[in-house]
Amino acid sequence: EAGVAQSPRYKIIEKRQSVAFWCNPISGHATLYWYQQILGQGPKLLIQFQNNGVVDDSQLPKDRFSAERLKGVDSTLKIQPAKLEDSAVYLCASSPGLQRNQPQHFGDGTRLSIL
Amino acid sequence: AQTVTQSQPEMSVQEAETVTLSCTYDTSESDYYLFWYKQPPSRQMILVIRQEAYKQQNATENRFSVNFQKAAKSFSLKISDSQLGDAAMYFCAYRSPTSGNTPLVFGKGTRLSVIA
Repeated sequence: EAGVAQSPRYKIIEKRQSVAFWCNPISGHATLYWYQQILGQGPKLLIQFQNNGVVDDSQLPKDRFSAERLKGVDSTLKIQPAKLEDSAVYLCASSPGLQRNQPQHFGDGTRLSIL
Repeated sequence: AQTVTQSQPEMSVQEAETVTLSCTYDTSESDYYLFWYKQPPSRQMILVIRQEAYKQQNATENRFSVNFQKAAKSFSLKISDSQLGDAAMYFCAYRSPTSGNTPLVFGKGTRLSVIA
């Protein structure tokens, strides 16, 4: 099966600019996650979707970050305006559904550098 | 909130030798899941092994095995017969079972180098 697809692979912007990332989960996967991985740290959840509804966005900085998952398939994560501390790898992951202990499948991530 | 601690930022092992990566976690839940993920330089996270807390038997996947000590809240990963392809960042992760697809809580990772 095709894996989780993310684009772009790399992005360099200046602070205060806007940026958007795209994720296409594995076909049929109901749950989609966005994680932020700052250099030297483990990934941290930003937002979780179940189909097209938000399950958990408690750690999403909502003054600058937004995310949507139209039609319960692919998703976009936007940052507007970007700050220097947003430099990180943004990972998208998906999992099949509501069965317990289903593994999460990760994409390659988008490395964002803020100048 | 649950936390995961990996106290070894870097480890190295000779090819064909065995190495153990440490992980401890803090939780008040009695049932949960633990994972080890591998992240090579290409960045894609790959599931290495998983353990369900209610199972006493330690999980094993080929050369990878865990030592799960529930009372001590310890979950170490043992890699036997290390290969050059094992070089990567390894992340320990915790998952609450309270709903079907709760997110993972990760440690900071251990960078493993394999010396030929």
